[in-house]
Amino acid sequence: QVQLQESGPGLVKPSETLSLTCTVSGGSISSYYWSWIRQPPGKGLEWIGYIYYSGSTNYNPSLKSRVTISVDTSKNQFSLKLSSVTAADTAVYYCARVGVVVPAAMLGWFDPWGQGTLVTVSS
Amino acid sequence: EIVMTQSPATLSVSPGERATLSCRASQSVSSNLAWYQQKPGQAPRLLIYGASTRATGIPARFSGSGSGTEFTLTISSLQSEDFAVYYCQQYNNWPPFTFGQGTKLEIK
Repeated sequence: QVQLQESGPGLVKPSETLSLTCTVSGGSISSYYWSWIRQPPGKGLEWIGYIYYSGSTNYNPSLKSRVTISVDTSKNQFSLKLSSVTAADTAVYYCARVGVVVPAAMLGWFDPWGQGTLVTVSS
Repeated sequence: EIVMTQSPATLSVSPGERATLSCRASQSVSSNLAWYQQKPGQAPRLLIYGASTRATGIPARFSGSGSGTEFTLTISSLQSEDFAVYYCQQYNNWPPFTFGQGTKLEIK
């Protein structure tokens, strides 16, 4: 079964760029959509954006100016970059696969998820 | 942006009893709604998609219903492992995909 694992620095300084990678194992990254979702401590879930294995992306308008998601199919990985971070970006960051509604071919739910990684923004 | 509102914020129920959780959308999302369960220190787990279809491996005591703007997640006979936070998520109108703020199901 497909498993996802996030990796990257747990501490980022304010104004710098947060960088995380999600490694997909047990299956190919191809032919699927992949997403990043975050959860501030003690709060709810916020969708950040998604990428298709071909490289097409879509981002949350509230974060669009600061977010870049990329994919490396040769490594079965996709990555998140969030620039100009502040304390408000402190959160557990999850990667997840996006489910597709058949036969409408519309994007839907998130499953499975990685275990998440806590990123703290602090000097 | 579609706003998802869950109620109640906290629900206290005894083991073996039924729990009913609600999710309301600020505009119609048809049946394009999912439910997740999250336990402390864990990632969310998909329970329901398409408003009423159980995900793979989800016990039959979990059921979802509703369409349009009103949705319900019902757990028919609560087991100890069901006490967690539950989130709904719409995928009818995006970006962005949006989640409710969660309902905490606690032991009474």
